[in-house]
Amino acid sequence: DAMVIQNPRYQVTQFGKPVTLSCSQTLNHNVMYWYQQKSSQAPKLLFHYYDKDFNNEADTPDNFQSRRPNTSFCFLDIRSPGLGDAAMYLCATSRVAGGQPQHFGDGTRLSIL
Amino acid sequence: AQKITQTQPGMFVQEKEAVTLDCTYDTSDPSYGLFWYKQPSSGEMIFLIYQGSYDQQNATEGRYSLNFQKARKSANLVISASQLGDSAMYFCAMREGAGGGADGLTFGKGTHLIIQP
Repeated sequence: DAMVIQNPRYQVTQFGKPVTLSCSQTLNHNVMYWYQQKSSQAPKLLFHYYDKDFNNEADTPDNFQSRRPNTSFCFLDIRSPGLGDAAMYLCATSRVAGGQPQHFGDGTRLSIL
Repeated sequence: AQKITQTQPGMFVQEKEAVTLDCTYDTSDPSYGLFWYKQPSSGEMIFLIYQGSYDQQNATEGRYSLNFQKARKSANLVISASQLGDSAMYFCAMREGAGGGADGLTFGKGTHLIIQP
């Protein structure tokens, strides 16, 4: 089945130690998104790629970066994780067409020690 | 101001009853899309139903229907004949702009639905 895959499902890192989360898709969608969801809160968009064009949300901290080397893969890099960055990170994809939903992966739950 | 408001933080419903989850939205864009997602405790976000701002009829998908009242800016999700497996967080979300945009979704704070046997 075509899908959005996030690895790992759980990630533990140390305060200040860079960490990378990965997302891959077999849907061949041209848009990929990263959302941050803190405990008991709504998902919040960090940034998205439309093909190779990167679109950063205005309030996304500089500590968060993203890479999309090809259509299938997208990475979220956190350069110096703080305790406040502990959250579920959700990757989503969509086609650019009217009414198309975003398809989400299972998420990566990030813990900071 | 919040763009998506879900006023019910939590709901308890008896199995087999119908349930309505409220969602109101705020936008000045004439073109927008409204989505409902289900998030079980395992964390994945599952797409349920979509309503476009220009759609003339309310969307339906199996046991899910969307009560779209454009003038009141509400897009309530109705689940008929609720099942124990419906217990989850439910998020209403909006994408502004004409269909085909790549913009992300703005989510409400969610409603935690618990179905009781």
